[in-house]
Amino acid sequence: ETGVTQSPTHLIKTRGQQVTLRCSSQSGHNTVSWYQQALGQGPQFIFQYYREEENGRGNFPPRFSGLQFPNYSSELNVNALELDDSALYLCASSLRTPSTDTQYFGPGTRLTVL
Amino acid sequence: AQRVTQPEKLLSVFKGAPVELKCNYSYSGSPELFWYVQYSRQRLQLLLRHISRESIKGFTADLNKGETSFHLKKPFAQEEDSAMYYCALSGRGSQGNLIFGKGTKLSVKP
Repeated sequence: ETGVTQSPTHLIKTRGQQVTLRCSSQSGHNTVSWYQQALGQGPQFIFQYYREEENGRGNFPPRFSGLQFPNYSSELNVNALELDDSALYLCASSLRTPSTDTQYFGPGTRLTVL
Repeated sequence: AQRVTQPEKLLSVFKGAPVELKCNYSYSGSPELFWYVQYSRQRLQLLLRHISRESIKGFTADLNKGETSFHLKKPFAQEEDSAMYYCALSGRGSQGNLIFGKGTKLSVKP
């Protein structure tokens, strides 16, 4: 069984640029959630994808967007990067059933915006 | 407002001492409560959730709806318990949207 993987591990961008982060969900999982974790803070929910459709969104502007593919992997896209977007971005996958939806986290992508 | 509060940023105890990591929440409805742990250089992982009522690695947590608390406890701390601990909640029917606290760093000294 393969766990959640994320790429790249870290990257540096400049203000105004666009970035795409990738996540491969754990084998058998159908749901992917994205979180932003600023330094010294807990993870903050960005949005969730279930069966390729957005299924819940946190308090993030539209320049944060995502996709989920038929193999349930996912992308997080951020346009017009701002300095405050510097953070660790976590992906979590889960298998949604009536009885459980435990989320399994990836190692994260560290984004630095200069 | 939905919120999770962990009042302690850092908690330092000696090996063998009892540990209590505090978590208070604000939520209108019936939330599910979780504790996640992140050991050094490892990913965030679920430690326990209140609906399973399990004891994991000697840790327990009881949901107190009257005090809106979900404190994490262990009677005898071990050095390997040193980690970052996050309390989180999810609203029933929220499709797993987790709201996290800011975390408490537990340091267990020999």
